[in-house]
Amino acid sequence: AQSVTQLGSHVSVSEGALVLLRCNYSSSVPPYLFWYVQYPNQGLQLLLKYTTGATLVKGINGFEAEFKKSETSFHLTKPSAHMSDAAEYFCAVRIGTGRRALTFGSGTRLQVQP
Amino acid sequence: DVKVTQSSRYLVKRTGEKVFLECVQDMDHENMFWYRQDPGLGLRLIYFSYDVKMKEKGDIPEGYSVSREKKERFSLILESASTNQTSMYLCASINAYEQYFGPGTRLTVT
Repeated sequence: AQSVTQLGSHVSVSEGALVLLRCNYSSSVPPYLFWYVQYPNQGLQLLLKYTTGATLVKGINGFEAEFKKSETSFHLTKPSAHMSDAAEYFCAVRIGTGRRALTFGSGTRLQVQP
Repeated sequence: DVKVTQSSRYLVKRTGEKVFLECVQDMDHENMFWYRQDPGLGLRLIYFSYDVKMKEKGDIPEGYSVSREKKERFSLILESASTNQTSMYLCASINAYEQYFGPGTRLTVT
C-alpha cells in the first residue's frame, strides 16, 4: 500500500524567502504525485502534478516540485514567498492503475511573516 | 470549469440522527469520492464510486454508507451520527488525472 509523509506540520518563512515543503512517499509501483493547496474555509485546489515524463514540474502561483525516484521524494518549492501563499498544503499519491483515490499526507501549514 | 458542489457548508446535528451529505458534479465524471479531513490526519477516504449504483469502501467506511443513483450525484449517509464523526467532509470527482474537490461540509455532531 502507498503512504505519504510530510515533514513538518507547520512551516514559517519570511516574505520573499524560499519556500520548501517536504514530501516523501512509499509505493511499490510508479506513482502519480500531487500537491494541493487549501485556503481557509475552502476546498482543495491542485497546485501541480507529476504523472510521467519530465521530473521537474511547474504549477500555479510560481510553485514547482521535483520527482526524485531514488529519494522517493516530491518536495514543493517556491523561490520567493508571498503573503498570499499562507495556506495548508497537502501532498498526495495515486497508484497509476487501479483505484483512483488519492492517499494524502497529513498536511503542512505554511505561515508567511511580513 | 469543473464544478463540484456540496449541499451545505456547515451542518449541526444531534447524536443518533441520520445525516445526508450531498455532492453534485457537472462534468460527467464516472469516479466520485468522499473524504473526511481532520487536523493532523490529512484527508482519509471513506467511500468511492466508479459508476452509477457502484460503490467501494475506502479506508474508513465504518459508520457511513453512500448512494449513487445518478451519475452526477454522490451522497454520503451517516446512519446514526456520533460525536466522533464531527469533521470536515470533502467530495471529489476525477477525470484522467486530476481530482476536483467541492468546498467541503463542516459537520458538528453534538
